[in-house]
Amino acid sequence: QKEVEQNSGPLSVPEGAIASLNCTYSDRVSQSFFWYRQYSGKSPELIMSIYSNGDKEDGRFTAQLNKASQYVSLLIRDSQPSDSATYLCAVTHNNAGNMLTFGGGTRLMVKP
Amino acid sequence: KAGVTQTPRYLIKTRGQQVTLSCSPISGHRSVSWYQQTPGQGLQFLFEYFSETQRNKGNFPGRFSGRQFSNSRSEMNVSTLELGDSALYLCASSPTGDGNTIYFGEGSWLTVV
Repeated sequence: QKEVEQNSGPLSVPEGAIASLNCTYSDRVSQSFFWYRQYSGKSPELIMSIYSNGDKEDGRFTAQLNKASQYVSLLIRDSQPSDSATYLCAVTHNNAGNMLTFGGGTRLMVKP
Repeated sequence: KAGVTQTPRYLIKTRGQQVTLSCSPISGHRSVSWYQQTPGQGLQFLFEYFSETQRNKGNFPGRFSGRQFSNSRSEMNVSTLELGDSALYLCASSPTGDGNTIYFGEGSWLTVV
């Protein structure tokens, strides 16, 4: 079992809809959780970080963390075609510094 | 504020050669990590340096090495290149060593022929 799992997609949503991206992780000592967006041929861009249970909102993005269920999600409201990219979930662990463990990514397609 | 800067951006090497990639972290950041990204394996952690010391190392052969200088700049080296080393090599920096706000550079595209 992979340590961080994501559905590879593609997840296709119409413009203006809510896109829901999900990620599960297996290591219970996971400490910090990140969502990165990566456009084709580009490097990952940090969208959100979340460290405690609950929701964290930043503009059109909301990250949700449930440590009991070992689940983290990213909601994108009012999806735009420019949101079409691969979204990477990453975690760090206690006593492991900045070592990120990535999921395989979910490809999101927002159709006009 | 300048972001994470990686050089060179693109390079082509021949099997058996070695390569050195450079990374300048965001000003004030003391942690530098390196990652390899390939279509088949995704993003994989290579190593992390914090205050010139290697803190963590991923599951890569000894051909992959790195170092960090006193000004936090970092280099990674790959010796005896193999075709499978063709990848995007990403450097990431963070102000601290405890898993907060990790930013990536644009990467170095390495092709081994």
